[in-house]
Amino acid sequence: QKEVEQDPGPLSVPEGAIVSLNCTYSNSAFQYFMWYRQYSRKGPELLMYTYSSGNKEDGRFTAQVDKSSKYISLFIRDSQPSDSATYLCAMRHMNTGNQFYFGTGTSLTVIP
Amino acid sequence: GAGVSQTPSNKVTEKGKYVELRCDPISGHTALYWYRQSLGQGPEFLIYFQGTGAADDSGLPNDRFFAVRPEGSVSTLKIQRTERGDSAVYLCASSLSAGSTDTQYFGPGTRLTVL
Repeated sequence: QKEVEQDPGPLSVPEGAIVSLNCTYSNSAFQYFMWYRQYSRKGPELLMYTYSSGNKEDGRFTAQVDKSSKYISLFIRDSQPSDSATYLCAMRHMNTGNQFYFGTGTSLTVIP
Repeated sequence: GAGVSQTPSNKVTEKGKYVELRCDPISGHTALYWYRQSLGQGPEFLIYFQGTGAADDSGLPNDRFFAVRPEGSVSTLKIQRTERGDSAVYLCASSLSAGSTDTQYFGPGTRLTVL
């Protein structure tokens, strides 16, 4: 079993829709949770960074962590065609925090 | 300022050959990471440097893979006797330090194809 599971999609939504992206994980030692956006043939770009459980909002993006369920989400409001990309969740341990564990990524297309 | 840069952007080689992939981290970043991303997968950790030393090389798949960072800045990932299964995008990332809250900034990657 992979430490981080993510539905690869692909996910296709109309412009303006609310998008929900999710990851589950098995290791309760994960304390830091991140969402990266990756455009085709580019490196991942950090979108959101959260520590432990709770919500964090940044513009149209909201990251949510539920440690009791080992489940994290990224919500995108008012989705735009420029949001079309692959979204990767990533996690790291509290004490050995140097190694990131990534999900497989979800491919998102926002249709104008 | 400039981000993480990687060269070459693409590398095609034949099975059994030796390759070197280069990473230039963001100036002042002491921590440097190498990841491998296969098609349709997320990045997979290979090795992490703090300064000049490899602090964690647990992700290197076998002894054909080796990485150096002799002056604590530029790093080179070296792959000997390449195999077709080594084909992937090799990503480099750097962060200011190795603290748990330090953000890793990724380069564009080197796409390696082994024929």
